Amino acid sequence: AQTVTQSQPEMSVQEAETVTLSCTYDTSESDYYLFWYKQPPSRQMILVIRQEAYKQQNATENRFSVNFQKAAKSFSLKISDSQLGDAAMYFCALNSGGSNYKLTFGKGTLLTVNP
Amino acid sequence: DAGITQSPRHKVTETGTPVTLRCHQTENHRYMYWYRQDPGHGLRLIHYSYGVKDTDKGEVSDGYSVSRSKTEDFLLTLESATSSQTSVYFCAISVKQGSGNTIYFGEGSWLTVV
Repeated sequence: AQTVTQSQPEMSVQEAETVTLSCTYDTSESDYYLFWYKQPPSRQMILVIRQEAYKQQNATENRFSVNFQKAAKSFSLKISDSQLGDAAMYFCALNSGGSNYKLTFGKGTLLTVNP
Repeated sequence: DAGITQSPRHKVTETGTPVTLRCHQTENHRYMYWYRQDPGHGLRLIHYSYGVKDTDKGEVSDGYSVSRSKTEDFLLTLESATSSQTSVYFCAISVKQGSGNTIYFGEGSWLTVV
């Protein structure tokens, strides 16, 4: 069985500053993928960033980057230059190889951005 | 836009009635999924499909059935709705990217069982 844990139910950040959301996971597979999804108040699930476990280089997408620590099974999301539009629920998710690409989700972190 | 359409988007139904939610995709992806989202639980997999007439259970499948008679459509049925099935339901598809796949979601269907 695979698990995903987000230990921060809520976080807040000042506009233009940087915030890091934590995620740890557990899987027995060697081939897997990790994701961060953003869910704004509209409830749409939006893919933020994707990381292949076999890649040592951390993924980046504009102001979003990850710190992938494979040995520690840690996958944190860093948001730089936070904007009001970044306010949302953020979900960490794990997809292990050979599992029909099913995703296992953490329970989410609610991010508030203060002006 | 992942080309996923869910219908209905909002529905209120009475306990004991059957309800069917439809997920339609436009790009012939093989894998499709139904998730439900509840406060404090994140998203949990109900059922998934890996091809026409090929489906399997997820972690919260009790009380739900699915069907996939065409590649583009994946139906989720609540045979006899209960209040515990009040939730937001998301359909998703798996899209091949690089050496793996990425899951994209529909906009969600809000179901209230009264």
